[in-house]
Amino acid sequence: EIVLTQSPGNLSLSPGERATLSCRASQFVSSSYLTWYQQKPGQAPRLLIYGASTRATGIPDRFSGSGSGTDFTLTISRLEPEDSAVYYCQQYSRSSWTFGQGTKVEIK
Amino acid sequence: QVQLVQSGAEVKKPGSSVKVSCKASGGTSNKYVISWVRQAPGQGLEWMGVFNPFFNTANYAQNFQGRVTITTDESTSTTFMELSGLKSDDTAVYFCAEGTSLGDPWGPGTLVTVSS
Repeated sequence: EIVLTQSPGNLSLSPGERATLSCRASQFVSSSYLTWYQQKPGQAPRLLIYGASTRATGIPDRFSGSGSGTDFTLTISRLEPEDSAVYYCQQYSRSSWTFGQGTKVEIK
Repeated sequence: QVQLVQSGAEVKKPGSSVKVSCKASGGTSNKYVISWVRQAPGQGLEWMGVFNPFFNTANYAQNFQGRVTITTDESTSTTFMELSGLKSDDTAVYFCAEGTSLGDPWGPGTLVTVSS
């Protein structure tokens, strides 16, 4: 099973600042199958980025994804108050999914 | 676009089983690849398994092998997740999500509480 490790666990930043979230895999992950989600309290996860770097429909361009192999990054270029949430990376291989443990982003 | 509607909250006794449903609509066919993901209170996301109606196969996470069964009724576009041998740490919100390699969209979640 591929293990995804996200860092940091928590991030506290001010509006307008840049957030950089990391997702590291225990073995190679195809970029085609690396996905990021945003989850707010009491809500289901929302698709943010797929294929490591493609924004889902309706996602603002301040969200961007990058990386390959075992190291992937989600960047929020200019934080807005509504970006306060937990962000999860997820990979698909051999007909199964695994998730990272999440990074909680707090807006000061 | 695809929408997912899940069954309502459940309260179950330890050792019993629970069956949660997820009805899909809005797609171009009546076949939907549905995964199940759960989230214990204050915890992260845990993938449980998937049913792929194009191959008529289910695949389960190792942690749930032997305890979870995912089935589908194509006539109503409804997928079911049954979890047996419930324990208190199975208390969680159970989500369904459509897609093979990723989830989009997700259902709203079903709270399952296991308590004596």
